[in-house]
This record gives sequence, structure tokens and C-alpha cells, in this order.
Amino acid sequence: DSGVTQTPKHLITATGQRVTLRCSPRSGDLSVYWYQQSLDQGLQFLIQYYNGEERAKGNILERFSAQQFPDLHSELNLSSLELGDSALYFCASSADLRTALSGTGELFFGEGSRLTVL
Amino acid sequence: GQQLNQSPQSMFIQEGEDVSMNCTSSSIFNTWLWYKQDPGEGPVLLIALYKAGELTSNGRLTAQFGITRKDSFLNISASIPSDVGIYFCAGLGSSNYKLTFGKGTLLTVNP
Repeated sequence: DSGVTQTPKHLITATGQRVTLRCSPRSGDLSVYWYQQSLDQGLQFLIQYYNGEERAKGNILERFSAQQFPDLHSELNLSSLELGDSALYFCASSADLRTALSGTGELFFGEGSRLTVL
Repeated sequence: GQQLNQSPQSMFIQEGEDVSMNCTSSSIFNTWLWYKQDPGEGPVLLIALYKAGELTSNGRLTAQFGITRKDSFLNISASIPSDVGIYFCAGLGSSNYKLTFGKGTLLTVNP
């Protein structure tokens, strides 16, 4: 158990719909990351938040948005869903990657939310 | 953006055999990490490397940070069935704080 909690574990929805994925980071971790994993693309970084503020952005579509709340949990909102959005969405947390060189620098991943768009 | 080339894509081996996989990049990384993902689970960190040339072991696993800082390898000795899974390398560059992941190596171990 990594200490990172993601809900829901599975979600089936239709094209055009909107879903929200939720993540609770490990206790004490300030950074939250969202990754998308599909069969052909591997793990793709979407976005990072640190202590409530957006820190870094990756290959995140404009139809997707995220936020980190004062209690440090995060939500990833996926809208106008398309078939190609079907994937595993992982949340990960760390204390702060800025300390990567002097600290552990590792990410702790949740078990993922499997989204199926029909 | 930064990209990691991980190879091989997949491996089928017999229990007891040794395994080697690697990642290369055209960019320099300051940190190399190796993760393993079991089916239905999120990736779990196996080994973290922070210095060029560093060789680190974790049980039957050994990983090295290439001296050029553009590559890393992971070795698994005396493989067992529970080694089955997808192994990912990940690199952290100096100019940002985003981990870049390789596409993974799918390992199958035949008992």
C-alpha cells in the first residue's frame, strides 16, 4: 500500500460525458502528479501540483483540467470524453521533487482509475 | 521534449535466468529511477540512482546510472515467477522536475 488513494477504481461512461477522478496523496506529501497510461503510449505525464499550485504541465489536453485543494487532495476533470481517452489514470505523490537530488525523489503511485469510454 | 528509449519491449525467460534491460536518452538526466508495475497496480519504486556511475542493488536487482548520464540499466538475477510485470525506467532532468518514463519492458517468467 503506497498510501496514495484514488477513486473510483473503475469508471465506464459514454463519449461526450464528463468525469472527475479523485486522489488523496500520502500523508505529508505536498506534490501530486497525474499520469495517463495507455497501451501504446506508456506512462504520460499530465500535470503536477505542489501545495495547491500548478507546478508543471505535460501532455494534458485542453478538455482536461485538474486542481489541488487546501487539504492537498487533487481532482482530475476529464470532459467531452472521446473513445481515445480510455486509459488508466494514475495519481502519484511526493514530498517535493525539488529535493530529488538530496532526498529520495521517488513518486508513490496510487492503484489507478481505469476509465472506459464507450 | 525529453524521451527515453527502453529496451527490450518484452522478454520471455525461464525461471532462474538473469535479465537485463536498459534505457537510453539523448538528454542528460540527474536522476534515474526504476519502477515495477504488477497487473492492476500502480508502479512501485525499485531503485533510485542519483550519481553518474552509481551502482545500486536491491536484493536480486542491480541498477546502474551510466557515466554519460544518458543511460541506465537494470539487471535481475535468478528470476522467479513473481518478477513478472512491467518494468519502467524514469529520468529526471536538470531543467525541470517532471519524471520522464520509458515505455516499459514486459517481463514474463516461465516456471
